[in-house]
This record gives sequence, C-alpha cells and structure tokens, in this order.
Amino acid sequence: AQKVTQAQTEISVVEKEDVTLDCVYETRDTTYYLFWYKQPPSGELVFLIRRNSFDEQNEISGRYSWNFQKSTSSFNFTITASQVVDSAVYFCALSVQNSGNTPLVFGKGTRLSVIA
Amino acid sequence: DTGVSQNPRHKITKRGQNVTFRCDPISEHNRLYWYRQTLGQGPEFLTYFQNEAQLEKSRLLSDRFSAERPKGSFSTLEIQRTEQGDSAMYLCASSSTHYQETQYFGPGTRLLVL
Repeated sequence: AQKVTQAQTEISVVEKEDVTLDCVYETRDTTYYLFWYKQPPSGELVFLIRRNSFDEQNEISGRYSWNFQKSTSSFNFTITASQVVDSAVYFCALSVQNSGNTPLVFGKGTRLSVIA
Repeated sequence: DTGVSQNPRHKITKRGQNVTFRCDPISEHNRLYWYRQTLGQGPEFLTYFQNEAQLEKSRLLSDRFSAERPKGSFSTLEIQRTEQGDSAMYLCASSSTHYQETQYFGPGTRLLVL
C-alpha cells in the first residue's frame, strides 16, 4: 500500500522568510510519481510539480524548489522569500505506475500562513 | 476556460435526500477521477473512469454512491439517501493517458447535509 506523510500540520512565517514543507512517502513499487499541489482558500487544487522515481534531480522554478531523495523517501518543497500569496494548504501526493498512473494518494496537507 | 468544471459549486440538502454532481473534464482528457475531501484532510480517492469504463472503485464508495460517465465525456456522481457523514468537498480531476500524466482538478462541489 502507498502512504504519504506530511508531519507539519501548520506553519507560520513572516513574509520574505524561506520555508520548507516536508513530505515522506511509502511504496513498494519501483516506478512511481510524486506531486505537489497547492490549495488556496478558494478550494481548487493547483498542480505545482510532478517527479518520477527515476529522476532524482532537484528542480527550481522561480521561488519554488523541490528536493527529492529516494534514500530517505522524501520529496520536500521549499519556498524562498515567501509572500502573502503563498498562504495556502499544500499537499504532497503519490501515484504508482501500473499500466498507466493509478489514483493519487495524498498526505493530510500542510497549512502555510505567510504574515506580512 | 478549458479547465475542469464542476456543478454545482455548493449544495445544501437534508438527510435522506438524493444529490447529483456533475464534472466536465478537460476536453482531450480520457481519464476522470472523483475524490472526496473532508475538513483538515487530504483528498481521498473514490473512483475513476477511462473513457466510459469505470476502472476502479474505492472502499469509500458505499452502495449509496454511484458514478457514471456516459459517452466518455462528462461524469455524474450521485449520492442516495444522504447522511451527515457525506458532508465534504467532492473533487473531480482529469488526465490523459500519455506517459507521466498529471491530474488537473476542478473547483469542487461542497456538500452540506443537514
């Protein structure tokens, strides 16, 4: 079975601080995909990034960066110079490759509050 | 707007009533997923379709829940004899079957059962 753990329930930072959201996953499959989604107060889940299990390169997109480490089964997300608009709930998710991607397994989310 | 759409956005009903939600996926996507999200939790998978075929159903999908996707386009999720425990956000997502597909989500339907 697959499982995603986001141990941080809530984080509060002051604007311009850097913040890292942790994600630890469990799966016995060797081919899998990891995702991060953002859920602002409006409720819609917004896709941020997808990573496959064979690509451990870290990725940077503007103020966002992701650190994927298979050795520790972690896929952490860092926001640099946080802004008030980053306030949202962030979800890490996992799917495995079984003749096409299976449904996503989500963590419980981390609520990020960025204070001006 | 070419994203996933869901209707209605909000639904309030009395216990015991039936409700139906609709999801229109991104037009070129042949996979459609339903998830349920309760307060403070991540979304949980309910069921998914590839074209008109329902490929998988979660144990969360009790006999009171039924989903359809006629002609492989829009999908409906019906809950019969609603219970207060059905109160949640119902999310729809769609994806293609290309390699490394990503699921894109709609705005959700928030259900409150009184």
